Amino acid sequence: GQQLNQSPQSMFIQEGEDVSMNCTSSSIFNTWLWYKQEPGEGPVLLIALYKAGELTSNGRLTAQFGITRKDSFLNISASIPSDVGIYFCAAPLQTGANNLFFGTGTRLTVIP
Amino acid sequence: NAGVTQTPKFQVLKTGQSMTLQCAQDMNHEYMSWYRQDPGMGLRLIHYSVGAGITDQGEVPNGYNVSRSTTEDFPLRLLSAAPSQTSVYFCASAPGITGWEEKLFFGSGTQLSVL
Repeated sequence: GQQLNQSPQSMFIQEGEDVSMNCTSSSIFNTWLWYKQEPGEGPVLLIALYKAGELTSNGRLTAQFGITRKDSFLNISASIPSDVGIYFCAAPLQTGANNLFFGTGTRLTVIP
Repeated sequence: NAGVTQTPKFQVLKTGQSMTLQCAQDMNHEYMSWYRQDPGMGLRLIHYSVGAGITDQGEVPNGYNVSRSTTEDFPLRLLSAAPSQTSVYFCASAPGITGWEEKLFFGSGTQLSVL
């Protein structure tokens, strides 16, 4: 079946450091989404990507849609304590509705 | 504006008990769905609905029932709870039926424990 593998599973970084994480799949997708989940809350969309090779930024966050359409990358520059949370990649399920397939998540801890 | 409201926030059940997780949205969204989140597995789709009276199965539908009698509400029913259903459950909604992934709004979740 489909799998979205995220790495690393967890990261402990110092405040001010840059962060890189990625998401890979054996399937091709036409859309990649990146979400952040904070404790006790639902996922919140950070960035949406719709074209292979696309590079999109949202403040200190930058995400890229891989050329092969089987992967995507998220970078966070100059991390701050409020960046703490779980970051998920997601892609549309082939069901013809707004249904998503989620990756396994990267848990980020920022040490002040 | 409430957005997507889920109740209860926490629930503990005994094996075999039944219960309904409530989800309501006040944005007049056509699409609603339920996901479960287990440690290390991300979110998985249980059931979804593209309008009142229309529901369909997702990736992991076994053990769950849904109905959509109104646009606003999409309850998730566990008829006979099992320990394997211990999870965090999220409801989500979007304005349209398809192509609205970018506008998918999630509730804050229901943490369910089945003993």
